[in-house]
Amino acid sequence: AQKITQTQPGMFVQEKEAVTLDCTYDTSDPSYGLFWYKQPSSGEMIFLIYQGSYDQQNATEGRYSLNFQKARKSANLVISASQLGDSAMYFCAMREGWTGSNYKLTFGKGTLLTVNP
Amino acid sequence: GAVVSQHPSRVICKSGTSVKIECRSLDFQATTMFWYRQFPKQSLMLMATSNEGSKATYEQGVEKDKFLINHASLTLSTLTVTSAHPEDSSFYICSASPLTDRNNYGYTFGSGTRLTVV
Repeated sequence: AQKITQTQPGMFVQEKEAVTLDCTYDTSDPSYGLFWYKQPSSGEMIFLIYQGSYDQQNATEGRYSLNFQKARKSANLVISASQLGDSAMYFCAMREGWTGSNYKLTFGKGTLLTVNP
Repeated sequence: GAVVSQHPSRVICKSGTSVKIECRSLDFQATTMFWYRQFPKQSLMLMATSNEGSKATYEQGVEKDKFLINHASLTLSTLTVTSAHPEDSSFYICSASPLTDRNNYGYTFGSGTRLTVV
């Protein structure tokens, strides 16, 4: 079974509108972290936002927010007021365990976001 | 912030030759670094976990003798693709995490290396 599932291969959004990118995860470890990364065509991986499994509130970072629904095991990324520069591939990733344990990242297949003017 | 430098950014090599890719943490020490491979329009697949001063841990299906990893210091890990073939052409990217920052800010990635084997 896939640990991270991103069901949207591609998404389109109009400039200045909000968009939600879906991510569901699967783990039996009570301690885990969820990450979103942006990968433009240049290939660099840009960290966007992080949510810990014990965090009580949804994470926010500027125009990015994470809609964390623990019972549903979902961690959707919401981008508000989309900009043309937001066009990129977006990856959801998970780390199982805390420091000292096996903390490699597992990535979803990604969602290609295109922002239209 | 934490910076990871990866070189070269692009390399073209002939089939049968070896290529070395370097990953350096510039402003922090990294006892662990990760090497990923990414084919076009696909996700990042973890190849191996590089541990300073010890042998790397390879993911299932990754050939240890083909992808040699050396992590000789707390700031440098290298990936050598030995006897490269066209099917090894891919985007290779490394990542590392500051020891004090792992929980909240994830992992800093290098800029990646696009390898083309002709």
